[in-house]
Amino acid sequence: AQRVTQPEKLLSVFKGAPVELKCNYSYSGSPELFWYVQYSRQRLQLLLRHISRESIKGFTADLNKGETSFHLKKPFAQEEDSAMYYCALLRSGNTPLVFGKGTRLSVIA
Amino acid sequence: DAGITQSPRHKVTETGTPVTLRCHQTENHRYMYWYRQDPGHGLRLIHYSYGVKDTDKGEVSDGYSVSRSKTEDFLLTLESATSSQTSVYFCAISDTQGAKGGYTFGSGTRLTVV
Repeated sequence: AQRVTQPEKLLSVFKGAPVELKCNYSYSGSPELFWYVQYSRQRLQLLLRHISRESIKGFTADLNKGETSFHLKKPFAQEEDSAMYYCALLRSGNTPLVFGKGTRLSVIA
Repeated sequence: DAGITQSPRHKVTETGTPVTLRCHQTENHRYMYWYRQDPGHGLRLIHYSYGVKDTDKGEVSDGYSVSRSKTEDFLLTLESATSSQTSVYFCAISDTQGAKGGYTFGSGTRLTVV
């Protein structure tokens, strides 16, 4: 079964510390992976996708097919990064996104 | 404006009553989705639509039905609401299933079944 695992429900870091939100996936095909973010009282929004190899708000994520991982990283956390983060997998064919259970990031001042 | 609205934003209903949630888009996107969000479970797909009158089940479809009679509206109906359906419901849209532009989500409907 195709699956997305985010092992941490909650991650607390101090402001200025590095952040790594873990995401592992299980899929035998060629995946497309995304990170979505939900700030307090806001709708979910796309943060970044691996095919774009972009950096958004200082966050980056690299697809590691050998380790089947797509960890989200930021070198220096900011208080405004506090939010719920979801990793999502897009399989080939006409199938919807599969989301992980999410990790709540709390940045402590 | 994100081009997608959900109604109602909040609803409290009694066990056993039918409930319909509405998702309306102005983007003319082909694909529409209903997810529920629960602590410890993340986002789980209920149903989705790949065109007018074309729908399919997601992983948690039991107790839910959907209809899409026109491109802009995707309705989610709880046939007979139960307390286990207390949740936050999100609608999303995309222009392609490949979702190169990502999904656009609505603001959610908080449903409480008492």
